[in-house]
Amino acid sequence: GESVGLHLPTLSVQEGDNSIINCAYSNSASDYFIWYKQESGKGPQFIIDIRSNMDKRQGQRVTVLLNKTVKHLSLQIAATQPGDSAVYFCAERRGNNDMRFGAGTRLTVKP
Amino acid sequence: DAGVTQSPTHLIKTRGQQVTLRCSPKSGHDTVSWYQQALGQGPQFIFQYYEEEERQRGNFPDRFSGHQFPNYSSELNVNALLLGDSALYLCASSGGRYNEQFFGPGTRLTVL
Repeated sequence: GESVGLHLPTLSVQEGDNSIINCAYSNSASDYFIWYKQESGKGPQFIIDIRSNMDKRQGQRVTVLLNKTVKHLSLQIAATQPGDSAVYFCAERRGNNDMRFGAGTRLTVKP
Repeated sequence: DAGVTQSPTHLIKTRGQQVTLRCSPKSGHDTVSWYQQALGQGPQFIFQYYEEEERQRGNFPDRFSGHQFPNYSSELNVNALLLGDSALYLCASSGGRYNEQFFGPGTRLTVL
């Protein structure tokens, strides 16, 4: 069946280091992928997205990489800060705005 | 410009009761999607409303129903509540050229 999943449920990094959060997907028909950040008690916050016709997209301190060959998505956060501590979800969009989320990775930044 | 707002923030119900949750989309958005997020899980798509009609639906029973009003606001109704319905219910709105979804803060529903 179709699924969006993450390799690791938790990730702990030192402040200032780079973070890499991974995600696997199984539906090769998915054409749009999004990373969300969710802080405790809040709704998911859009970070960055990428379409299937791209391999890489950069934002402010964040980069998303898409490897369609192995159906893998990653989020790289440069110079991780304490404010980056949150749960990160990857999501794939199928059709028009019907998004499927993975279970999430909890990122903890140690001072 | 207010973002997506939801009400109430928290709600406690008992099994068998019915509940109505409300969502006001971000200004300029015409599409509202509802998600259920159980503790420690990712959001699960319930359904989406556009032009006052349900456009898409996820794998949720008919106990879950919704409505969209002419001003694009939306309601989520859940009948015959079960303990397993306890979750954070998220509303997301989208519209415009890029269809990016913006989420509200959610309504925490506890069923006792």
